[in-house]
Amino acid sequence: GQNIDQPTEMTATEGAIVQINCTYQTSGFNGLFWYQQHAGEAPTFLSYNVLDGLEEKGRFSSFLSRSKGYSYLLLKELQMKDSASYLCAVRNNQGGKLIFGQGTELSVKP
Amino acid sequence: NAGVMQNPRHLVRRRGQEARLRCSPMKGHSHVYWYRQLPEEGLKFMVYLQKENIIDESGMPKERFSAEFPKEGPSILRIQQVVRGDSAAYFCASSPGMLGPDTQYFGPGTRLTVL
Repeated sequence: GQNIDQPTEMTATEGAIVQINCTYQTSGFNGLFWYQQHAGEAPTFLSYNVLDGLEEKGRFSSFLSRSKGYSYLLLKELQMKDSASYLCAVRNNQGGKLIFGQGTELSVKP
Repeated sequence: NAGVMQNPRHLVRRRGQEARLRCSPMKGHSHVYWYRQLPEEGLKFMVYLQKENIIDESGMPKERFSAEFPKEGPSILRIQQVVRGDSAAYFCASSPGMLGPDTQYFGPGTRLTVL
């Protein structure tokens, strides 16, 4: 079967760093994606990992360990506009569909 | 470069009516995916289509739901005889269908309310 787990909600302070974890179990791994979704809006693509290691893109970084079935999204220099839901999604090798976790609702406080 | 387009953005139907949701993929994208997001839940895959072909419909309910992506025109998700439990946000995503990330980009969604 396939299962994606991430914390339901997190709170952090403006200017700080936050790490959102995601663990997954899937039959045949073919990439992990992170999306950001503001309330009432479409998910927007943040990052993609298929090999072990860290991918950095500005204030956002994503890490993957395939042997551990583990990823995290790191957000630096938090801004109020980063308050949103962060979705971890896995693609297996049976096709293009993404399996999403429940999402982590991040609240950034002043 | 226009993104993924969906219409209508909001749709209200009474129980038993039909709902038709449309999706135009991003320019240059030939793969379309439909996902459903129930209130307070995560995105759930429904169906994956290429032009004139259904590739994976493993997430589609067995009855009342159908999808198509014709040679010309948008992809259509059709829900017949809607029930209250169909109320949700329906998102369409498209991808270029290439090797590598083949990242899916999402449209703004159609919010279906069944009265």
